[in-house]
Amino acid sequence: NAGVTQTPKFQVLKTGQSMTLQCAQDMNHEYMSWYRQDPGMGLRLIHYSVGAGITDQGEVPNGYNVSRSTTEDFPLRLLSAAPSQTSVYFCASSYFPGRGNYGYTFGSGTRLTVV
Amino acid sequence: AQKVTQAQTEISVVEKEDVTLDCVYETRDTTYYLFWYKQPPSGELVFLIRRNSFDEQNEISGRYSWNFQKSTSSFNFTITASQVVDSAVYFCALSPAGGTSYGKLTFGQGTILTVHP
Repeated sequence: NAGVTQTPKFQVLKTGQSMTLQCAQDMNHEYMSWYRQDPGMGLRLIHYSVGAGITDQGEVPNGYNVSRSTTEDFPLRLLSAAPSQTSVYFCASSYFPGRGNYGYTFGSGTRLTVV
Repeated sequence: AQKVTQAQTEISVVEKEDVTLDCVYETRDTTYYLFWYKQPPSGELVFLIRRNSFDEQNEISGRYSWNFQKSTSSFNFTITASQVVDSAVYFCALSPAGGTSYGKLTFGQGTILTVHP
């Protein structure tokens, strides 16, 4: 049981480049989501999904795309990287809340720098 | 709209002191979940507790305890007899309970706890 796996752990991009942050979970969780963590601002929701084929925007979706073609994977695409997207990105997953008293399980994070 | 406020940006205590981290939330939802997460210096996020809005029982787990008061919209976290290993950033979070909205987790800004030996 690997939990939530994020790749890469570190990435440096040039302004205007695109890239995909990968997220995979092997716990058969229904919910998956992406957050960014910036100093003093906690974690902010970018996009989330409640199942394969279903996604929705969070608080800060601009500049990011997601899709969920399988239960296991939830990649985050940066369309044209900007310095404002320099951040630590976390992927998280969870069971449907009625399945038990669980919280969200988080990946180890991706530290992205846009220069 | 949801909002979570952790008014204490940083707290510094000496080992064995008790410490309480405050969390106040705002929501229009009638049912919701509240969470606490710990982020140690290594950076990962560790789940501590989830509480349903219709369960106002306080919870104790070892040295950790949580006080949920719906009347004041607060979900405070107390560490008894703090240890150096408790040093971390602690986040309070909130999500609606219903269906797809459960995915919309809103975090507070976090409280940096430093426990000195």
